[in-house]
Amino acid sequence: GAGVSQSPRYKVAKRGQDVALRCDPISGHVSLFWYQQALGQGPEFLTYFQNEAQLDKSGLPSDRFFAERPEGSVSTLKIQRTQQEDSAVYLCASSLFPRAASGRTGELFFGEGSRLTVL
Amino acid sequence: AQSVTQLDSQVPVFEEAPVELRCNYSSSVSVYLFWYVQYPNQGLQLLLKYLSGSTLVKGINGFEAEFNKSQTSFHLRKPSVHISDTAEYFCAVSELYNQGGKLIFGQGTELSVKP
Repeated sequence: GAGVSQSPRYKVAKRGQDVALRCDPISGHVSLFWYQQALGQGPEFLTYFQNEAQLDKSGLPSDRFFAERPEGSVSTLKIQRTQQEDSAVYLCASSLFPRAASGRTGELFFGEGSRLTVL
Repeated sequence: AQSVTQLDSQVPVFEEAPVELRCNYSSSVSVYLFWYVQYPNQGLQLLLKYLSGSTLVKGINGFEAEFNKSQTSFHLRKPSVHISDTAEYFCAVSELYNQGGKLIFGQGTELSVKP
């Protein structure tokens, strides 16, 4: 498709379950970001990929969170043993520009997000 | 560490009135600045950006913003709003030479345009 696609759009999990959220970025986009957006808040950075390399994972809140982009296109964010505080919208964004382009890497195309509710 | 403060969480305004959404940032180094808009049930969309050069930048849908380095502000303005401008607006900053262009977002301002 023409835009960033995320699935599932909605996910309800019981506390302790594992979840996997998928992001299909715009074809050819080098950079891929995951953000977490809690209710009423702005997006918060989780992790960054340049092609298949995960160059920054400083925003991942705990070791229960894991992200991968094995072939430099589709990415998966996995959350193990979900907790109620993990409830949020998880946003994926991609950019044509690599890290070296610095400011232009901030020109992001966002997906509609995956809303995770942990009961 | 960087931070972004959007001074108004909600801004109600009548159609065709002017509007200003305020954004202040804090950073120890030079930054790039962005405004993103999120329409209901849609993903965030880039509205405009300041990378360098003229401090007055124009974006889509008639919006503009002015970078003020001394006041560390990047306020968003539109001279006449439409009902269709109703959305959540996010100011964001990234540091020059930041590894990966990570954006730090403000908490958002909900613009509500009334007829």
